[in-house]
Amino acid sequence: GALVYQYPRRTICKSGTSMRMECQAVGFQATSVAWYRQSPQKTFELIALSTVNSAIKYEQNFTQEKFPISHPNLSFSSMTVLNAYLEDRGLYLCGAGRDINTGQLYFGEGSKLTVL
Amino acid sequence: AQSVTQPDARVTVSEGASLQLRCKYSYSGTPYLFWYVQYPRQGLQLLLKYYSGDPVVQGVNGFEAEFIKSNSSFHLRKASVHWSDSAVYFCAVVNYGNEKITFGAGTKLTIKP
Repeated sequence: GALVYQYPRRTICKSGTSMRMECQAVGFQATSVAWYRQSPQKTFELIALSTVNSAIKYEQNFTQEKFPISHPNLSFSSMTVLNAYLEDRGLYLCGAGRDINTGQLYFGEGSKLTVL
Repeated sequence: AQSVTQPDARVTVSEGASLQLRCKYSYSGTPYLFWYVQYPRQGLQLLLKYYSGDPVVQGVNGFEAEFIKSNSSFHLRKASVHWSDSAVYFCAVVNYGNEKITFGAGTKLTIKP
């Protein structure tokens, strides 16, 4: 079946440092990868959508300079939170799918970021 | 712009009772609609989806949802809940062509013994 693995599951980092998280798709082609953030007590905010061989689309409140994303092939994507501060804490979810327009994404269990 | 409203932040029901979690969406076209569930300390799992056709869709673990276009609703139902259904449930809509999934705020379901 289709599975998505995310790692690390949890990271604690000091304010001003960076954290890289990875997303691995198994059993299907992850043509599209969507990165979401779930802040404490909030719903999921879309950070960016990445489609292989296309430009990465960032949502209004998120930038490539802050959240650089790599999506080099159909099974892997990574995102880094640069210069993390308290407002960046939360659960970062990777959702991958063959066609984002179907809306059906397979999600990993998330990478939880705590910033001290 | 599309949006999803889940008016109930928390719902508590007794084990064995029936359940309805409400979801209303705002979207100009014909939406693709989804319900996802987030169990404690886990990511999201797809419960069910609606693209077209029969407005009542069946999902995993006995869940179903009904698309009512006139009401812009996609409520989730279950005839008899189990303690293991305790989780946060998210309704979502896809804007086809815009490649964007919008989630509701979520409803936390607690099952009383």
